[in-house]
Amino acid sequence: NAGVTQTPKFQVLKTGQSMTLQCAQDMNHNSMYWYRQDPGMGLRLIYYSASEGTTDKGEVPNGYNVSRLNKREFSLRLESAAPSQTSVYFCASMLGLAVYNEQFFGPGTRLTVL
Amino acid sequence: AQRVTQPEKLLSVFKGAPVELKCNYSYSGSPELFWYVQYSRQRLQLLLRHISRESIKGFTADLNKGETSFHLKKPFAQEEDSAMYYCALLNTGNQFYFGTGTSLTVIP
Repeated sequence: NAGVTQTPKFQVLKTGQSMTLQCAQDMNHNSMYWYRQDPGMGLRLIYYSASEGTTDKGEVPNGYNVSRLNKREFSLRLESAAPSQTSVYFCASMLGLAVYNEQFFGPGTRLTVL
Repeated sequence: AQRVTQPEKLLSVFKGAPVELKCNYSYSGSPELFWYVQYSRQRLQLLLRHISRESIKGFTADLNKGETSFHLKKPFAQEEDSAMYYCALLNTGNQFYFGTGTSLTVIP
């Protein structure tokens, strides 16, 4: 099992460009999450999907959209990238009820917006 | 609003010494708390969860609702404990809130 995979690993964008970060998991998990991590800060939740077909905003959703394409895949889209979106992005997945289950994290995508 | 505070960005201890990583939280509801760890060149992973009242790799954490704290402790630090540690709170909306992390270095 690959666990949680993310593509790309690194990306450089110019202000105003768009891109989609891909995330996939092969553990048959129901819930999937997107976080961003900035220097000196903890992970902050952008969006999450509690189950296939549902998505909800997290703490910092502005400037992002998500799609839960199927049970395996959860993508994060930046429609018009801004320098403030320079960050490391982590995807995570979890089987079910959060308190009894473990989030499994991807390796991260390092995004730079110039 | 919920908030998780880890006051120490960096913490160094000698091998064999006790270690305590501090975590304080603010949350109006009944909190569920976790410690996550990231070893060098590895992914972030769960270390322990409050609800399980477990000891993992010699680490324990006690929820103190009066002090709103969930400090992580280990009586005898080992070199392999060197890592980045994050405290996290789960709210009733199924959202996680992470602290800023503490980088622990265990000196041989």
